[in-house]
Amino acid sequence: GAGVSQSPRYKVAKRGQDVALRCDPISGHVSLFWYQQALGQGPEFLTYFQNEAQLDKSGLPSDRFFAERPEGSVSTLKIQRTQQEDSAVYLCASSLAQGLVNQPQHFGDGTRLSIL
Amino acid sequence: DAKTTQPNSMESNEEEPVHLPCNHSTISGTDYIHWYRQLPSQGPEYVIHGLTSNVNNRMASLAIAEDRKSSTLILHRATLRDAAVYYCILRGGGSQGNLIFGKGTKLSVKP
Repeated sequence: GAGVSQSPRYKVAKRGQDVALRCDPISGHVSLFWYQQALGQGPEFLTYFQNEAQLDKSGLPSDRFFAERPEGSVSTLKIQRTQQEDSAVYLCASSLAQGLVNQPQHFGDGTRLSIL
Repeated sequence: DAKTTQPNSMESNEEEPVHLPCNHSTISGTDYIHWYRQLPSQGPEYVIHGLTSNVNNRMASLAIAEDRKSSTLILHRATLRDAAVYYCILRGGGSQGNLIFGKGTKLSVKP
């Protein structure tokens, strides 16, 4: 079956440009998470959605980062006025239900963002 | 969620068992122990989870110490495709579900 799909797979942008990263979760999955992974590090939490509601955005590093999931399925992570420190792999994950610690998260393969 | 400690790297020979340790001395009674792995250029992949009892699935086994302060992920016969970074993660009963990753253990498998 279809897993979590992220696009684009790679994105190169010049410093100062805006970028938008897309995540298509597994159909029917209520919870959606965004993570940021720097080179050689484990993923770090950015934000969490339950359906269309953004319940936690405590991990977003600055107000240049914005995420939405307007219809409770596809999500977009937008970064405005990109900086070199935004270069990382951005991972999206979905899970069937909210907050259940037995529920595994299903990850996409990420978008590798490089800011020149 | 409580913190875990894992070795930075381990090596194994192909077709031999691999035991990946994880220490979590501050684990609480409601924390589940989850393992994920991340192959090169891919997103993390769920491997297994448990609470108190040892667990087996098609990918691996999870052995949990009686005091729950440590656990071991067991790959029964390592293959080259098992070369990855393995993350041991605690998930508390009151959490919203986001995972807190450490640096994990980078497993190398030699042919």
